[in-house]
Amino acid sequence: NAGVMQNPRHLVRRRGQEARLRCSPMKGHSHVYWYRQLPEEGLKFMVYLQKENIIDESGMPKERFSAEFPKEGPSILRIQQVVRGDSAAYFCASSKPQNEQFFGPGTRLTVL
Amino acid sequence: KQEVTQIPAALSVPEGENLVLNCSFTDSAIYNLQWFRQDPGKGLTSLLLIQSSQREQTSGRLNASLDKSSGRSTLYIAASQPGDSATYLCALNSGGSNYKLTFGKGTLLTVNP
Repeated sequence: NAGVMQNPRHLVRRRGQEARLRCSPMKGHSHVYWYRQLPEEGLKFMVYLQKENIIDESGMPKERFSAEFPKEGPSILRIQQVVRGDSAAYFCASSKPQNEQFFGPGTRLTVL
Repeated sequence: KQEVTQIPAALSVPEGENLVLNCSFTDSAIYNLQWFRQDPGKGLTSLLLIQSSQREQTSGRLNASLDKSSGRSTLYIAASQPGDSATYLCALNSGGSNYKLTFGKGTLLTVNP
């Protein structure tokens, strides 16, 4: 039973480019969470999604960031016009309804 | 707003020592509390999950306790080994319809052979 999968594991972008991070939840999990870990900071919640629905995006920056979890395929976290401050590790977690979250290995984004 | 604090920020001990990591939180209305381990450049591994109705959980050399009234949890590691070296994170789930986790900044543990 494969765990939560994230790709790419490492992503390098130049300022102004777009970054797309993908998360495939564990089999049978319909809930996805995205967290961001900035250097020297703890993990911070960004967004909580169910299939085709954004449930809570209170942790998402107001501009340039968006997330989706379509009916088919992985969840996508999209960052437009990246800036150096977006450099961080982005973690995805998945769960069954009202259950323990399991984390993926993360995507480490570096903005040059 | 829930805030989670972990003390100490870093800890270095000799192999074989028993140790305690601390986690405190400001809002006692929690659904559960999890302890994670994070190795450098890696993801999070769940170690123990304590439901709000429980006082402690044990797994091997690890024991986690929860005291909601005082807003504290501890992670006890017995007979520490160099392989235990990692960052240990405490995370709270405040429940409700949104099960987002609120994390502390972690304790960086180094166990010296």
